[in-house]
Amino acid sequence: DAGITQSPRHKVTETGTPVTLRCHQTENHRYMYWYRQDPGHGLRLIHYSYGVKDTDKGEVSDGYSVSRSKTEDFLLTLESATSSQTSVYFCAAWGVTGFFYGYTFGSGTRLTVV
Amino acid sequence: EDKVVQSPLSLVVHEGDTVTLNCSYEVTNFRSLLWYKQEKKAPTFLFMLTSSGIEKKSGRLSSILDKKELSSILNITATQTGDSAIYLCAVIVIQGAQKLVFGQGTRLTINP
Repeated sequence: DAGITQSPRHKVTETGTPVTLRCHQTENHRYMYWYRQDPGHGLRLIHYSYGVKDTDKGEVSDGYSVSRSKTEDFLLTLESATSSQTSVYFCAAWGVTGFFYGYTFGSGTRLTVV
Repeated sequence: EDKVVQSPLSLVVHEGDTVTLNCSYEVTNFRSLLWYKQEKKAPTFLFMLTSSGIEKKSGRLSSILDKKELSSILNITATQTGDSAIYLCAVIVIQGAQKLVFGQGTRLTINP
């Protein structure tokens, strides 16, 4: 969606390696979120941020850390990837994007841990 | 723990049928309920409901919130194959900061 860019779009990594996913927004949104989506679970909140250097855990935060050193970037790190972290990861932000006021989602990152 | 539950989890109907998807929630500090449609990529916004009893409509889709019953329904009339998707319900919760909590989703399949 306009204003939120996730990178990479796809990644295959080996068990035990660190992985960092990036979410970049151009709308100066205060709130940003990382979700993972697995079949039968909808989107589950991993971590969220309510400002630069202000972050908090969601319902499935174990094995993940985040950082937000600038308003526009919210990074999700898997310290030591495991196969259970194979998933599709979505970043979201809350605020005004163009003519839309609400939550805007990135296009997702498909991560495979082998 | 904040919880959002959708039913059914999966639904298969014929083109032209009317469907009703359900969402119930049990959260602290409810602000609003949102419905999304998800095809092969990111969820796309359908409705935001904040007030009880006020129906929101967009074409063949409509939704209403019942804050007394802590629930919402999404109706789709005269379904088309293009309505096949996962429909997600989510609730905005305010606990200091603002969070969006999702249900499991309903996978809707429309057969021609």
